[in-house]
Amino acid sequence: EAQVTQNPRYLITVTGKKLTVTCSQNMNHEYMSWYRQDPGLGLRQIYYSMNVEVTDKGDVPEGYKVSRKEKRNFPLILESPSPNQTSLYFCASSSYLRQGAREQYFGPGTRLTVT
Amino acid sequence: AQKITQTQPGMFVQEKEAVTLDCTYDTSDPSYGLFWYKQPSSGEMIFLIYQGSYDQQNATEGRYSLNFQKARKSANLVISASQLGDSAMYFCAMRVNRGSTLGRLYFGRGTQLTVWP
Repeated sequence: EAQVTQNPRYLITVTGKKLTVTCSQNMNHEYMSWYRQDPGLGLRQIYYSMNVEVTDKGDVPEGYKVSRKEKRNFPLILESPSPNQTSLYFCASSSYLRQGAREQYFGPGTRLTVT
Repeated sequence: AQKITQTQPGMFVQEKEAVTLDCTYDTSDPSYGLFWYKQPSSGEMIFLIYQGSYDQQNATEGRYSLNFQKARKSANLVISASQLGDSAMYFCAMRVNRGSTLGRLYFGRGTQLTVWP
């Protein structure tokens, strides 16, 4: 089954404690990205990756890091989380080769609370 | 720059009635795709419907249809025969089909739909 997995699904942490949210896809997609969703703001892109070892900033990259060492994995790293990073996070993947309707897959989301 | 606008923060509809959720977009690129997603209270993003900029006909998927008016840059979602389970947040999104933005979706702020009995 084609899917994007994220872990953990829920996380409560404290300010300053480094954390990593993992994302993995099994569709051999080139493009992966992270979004955060906040009430009234929709989804905003944090970082994206066009392929292995190729990453770039989205609209709201401050306070986040990413890496793309393997095609299937795209972890989101918060080196020193702060309360303003409390949000719902989505990982997504897609392929360049097909611009078809359903070539946008989302993970189930990670609800992060930073106290 | 790409932009998606959803002007209805909340909508209410009675069960079995039809409802239209508004979406306007802005892009200078000729090739793009428009998406609608449903997000129930559980949080996952559920794909509903897609319209390509070159598609001649409006997209339909079961009870969902997309009223695509290219000249007006609007892509409204029509849900026919609303059901209680349609109560959710709905997002309109756009993907521009070029270069480094090929994989990226631009989202509106969403419309919270409530279906009442």
